[in-house]
Amino acid sequence: TQLLEQSPQFLSIQEGENLTVYCNSSSVFSSLQWYRQEPGEGPVLLVTVVTGGEVKKLKRLTFQFGDARKDSSLHITAAQPGDTGLYLCAGETGANNLFFGTGTRLTVIP
Amino acid sequence: EAGVTQFPSHSVIEKGQTVTLRCDPISGHDNLYWYRRVMGKEIKFLLHFVKESKQDESGMPNNRFLAERTGGTYSTLKVQPAELEDSGVYFCASSPFRGSPLHFGNGTRLTVT
Repeated sequence: TQLLEQSPQFLSIQEGENLTVYCNSSSVFSSLQWYRQEPGEGPVLLVTVVTGGEVKKLKRLTFQFGDARKDSSLHITAAQPGDTGLYLCAGETGANNLFFGTGTRLTVIP
Repeated sequence: EAGVTQFPSHSVIEKGQTVTLRCDPISGHDNLYWYRRVMGKEIKFLLHFVKESKQDESGMPNNRFLAERTGGTYSTLKVQPAELEDSGVYFCASSPFRGSPLHFGNGTRLTVT
């Protein structure tokens, strides 16, 4: 079973601060996806990274896939209260099902 | 376009009863997936349909769970008989073709008492 561990599990920061969320595994993935989930809703895809070392930016969010395709990070610059939510990483092995991480619950305090 | 819809949004049943969850994927999406999150755990894959065929059901926990997708449109997931450990949130997702991003529904929260 592929296990994706996210850290930190919970994060509470002030508006304007920067933060990084990590997603680590001992398994290699063909791609890695980051989702954000709001209460009462399903996960919504933010980005997919495919190539080892790949960096993608989505406004204030920067996603990086590790060189060995086993880990990833999400960096948020100048966090806003609207960034509050549950962030999930998910790895795909090629069988077209996803292995989800344990999640990071982010709270941005105004 | 309408997103993935799941019904009911919440279900509370007693141990031993039967519950059927329904998922309507986005129109035209051949791929349909069921996932679930049980309390305190990560979201886990249950199974994958391509049209009406089960492509991968390796994540189904046991034979109390039965998923169908007759006609290749909506899907149902039946739990019979339900056990306490079946409580959790059941998500459905769909995609138009293999490898394309998944679109998730809002989930059905199942509570077995």
